[in-house]
Amino acid sequence: AQSVAQPEDQVNVAEGNPLTVKCTYSVSGNPYLFWYVQYPNRGLQFLLKYITGDNLVKGSYGFEAEFNKSQTSFHLKKPSALVSDSALYFCAVRDMDDPVGANNLFFGTGTRLTVIP
Amino acid sequence: KAGVTQTPRYLIKTRGQQVTLSCSPISGHRSVSWYQQTPGQGLQFLFEYFSETQRNKGNFPGRFSGRQFSNSRSEMNVSTLELGDSALYLCASTHLAAGGGELFFGSGTQLSVL
Repeated sequence: AQSVAQPEDQVNVAEGNPLTVKCTYSVSGNPYLFWYVQYPNRGLQFLLKYITGDNLVKGSYGFEAEFNKSQTSFHLKKPSALVSDSALYFCAVRDMDDPVGANNLFFGTGTRLTVIP
Repeated sequence: KAGVTQTPRYLIKTRGQQVTLSCSPISGHRSVSWYQQTPGQGLQFLFEYFSETQRNKGNFPGRFSGRQFSNSRSEMNVSTLELGDSALYLCASTHLAAGGGELFFGSGTQLSVL
């Protein structure tokens, strides 16, 4: 079974401060991990992914995430938050050893990030 | 390159009716997936099509169905609508048959069932 947990429904951070949005996952095999962002009345936009290799992944808009296999986590980070980063963030996982669900992603319930000016 | 296009953008239906939603993937993408997004449940996988074949299906009743055409465009149909079907329905495409390719999402169809 595959699942993703985003333990915080809401994260507030002051503009200019570092931000972290947490994600933990569960898969039987090895994971593909993704972060997406959703702005109001829009679909999801891809931010970054971990497939293999370097545990620190850099993505769009200055975001990065660190894959931690022992803690089964993939937290999203940014050194300095912008007001325009305010949005809904989703973590997603796919088991790379699952041939049937080849392009099926399991999403967390989302974390709403609010950056305060 | 055009993105994933979903039509219509908004739909209002009444209980018992049926509805068809349309999705045009990014050119060259043969995999199309559908997701239901609700405030309480987040994103739930409905089904995935690849080269006109349904490869995988989520845990939804048989009232939810879909298909994919030879040009990779896809439709999903919901019959006998219920109030709980009110949601944002998202379509996503990817160029890979399998693996670590990211999904590209459309803006969605907001369905309201009255």
